[in-house]
Amino acid sequence: AQSVSQHNHHVILSEAASLELGCNYSYGGTVNLFWYVQYPGQHLQLLLKYFSGDPLVKGIKGFEAEFIKSKFSFNLRKPSVQWSDTAEYFCAVSGGYNKLIFGAGTRLAVHP
Amino acid sequence: NAGVTQTPKFQVLKTGQSMTLQCAQDMNHEYMSWYRQDPGMGLRLIHYSVGAGITDQGEVPNGYNVSRSTTEDFPLRLLSAAPSQTSVYFCASSPGLAGVSSYNEQFFGPGTRLTVL
Repeated sequence: AQSVSQHNHHVILSEAASLELGCNYSYGGTVNLFWYVQYPGQHLQLLLKYFSGDPLVKGIKGFEAEFIKSKFSFNLRKPSVQWSDTAEYFCAVSGGYNKLIFGAGTRLAVHP
Repeated sequence: NAGVTQTPKFQVLKTGQSMTLQCAQDMNHEYMSWYRQDPGMGLRLIHYSVGAGITDQGEVPNGYNVSRSTTEDFPLRLLSAAPSQTSVYFCASSPGLAGVSSYNEQFFGPGTRLTVL
């Protein structure tokens, strides 16, 4: 069965610190991978996605993620976080028919 | 375009009551789905539809019914509410056809926060 594991449930950083959120997936076929963000009180928005090509994917707001097939990983990175990045981040894998399998999420708190 | 809209935003039910959560999209998307979001568990797929007249079960379908009579609407029915159904419910849509464009971005609605007492 497909599954997504996010290692960090809560992350606290100071502004300007670098961010890396881990995501590992379990899936036997061709994968499509996503990172979604949910700002407080808002709905989910797509940060970035990978479906083929360059394994380093750049998304909105300075975020990027690297697909490492050998490690079944799709970690999210940002070199310098801002207070406005405080949110919950979800990694997801597409399991066909556009069905998304989500990880449990990582709550990020950025302190000024 | 309004995108994906959901009503109501908040709802409180008593155990055993039934209700329908509404979801509509104006983007002519083929694919629509319902998720529930619970703390520490991410989002879990309840039901999905790949087009009008076609629905299927997701990961946690028990206690919920769906139908898709039009492309635009995808209501979620709680038959007999239980406290375990207290959650935030998100509807999503995507333009992809089944098995063709599984990488397509899904667009989410604002959610319905449901409490069952």
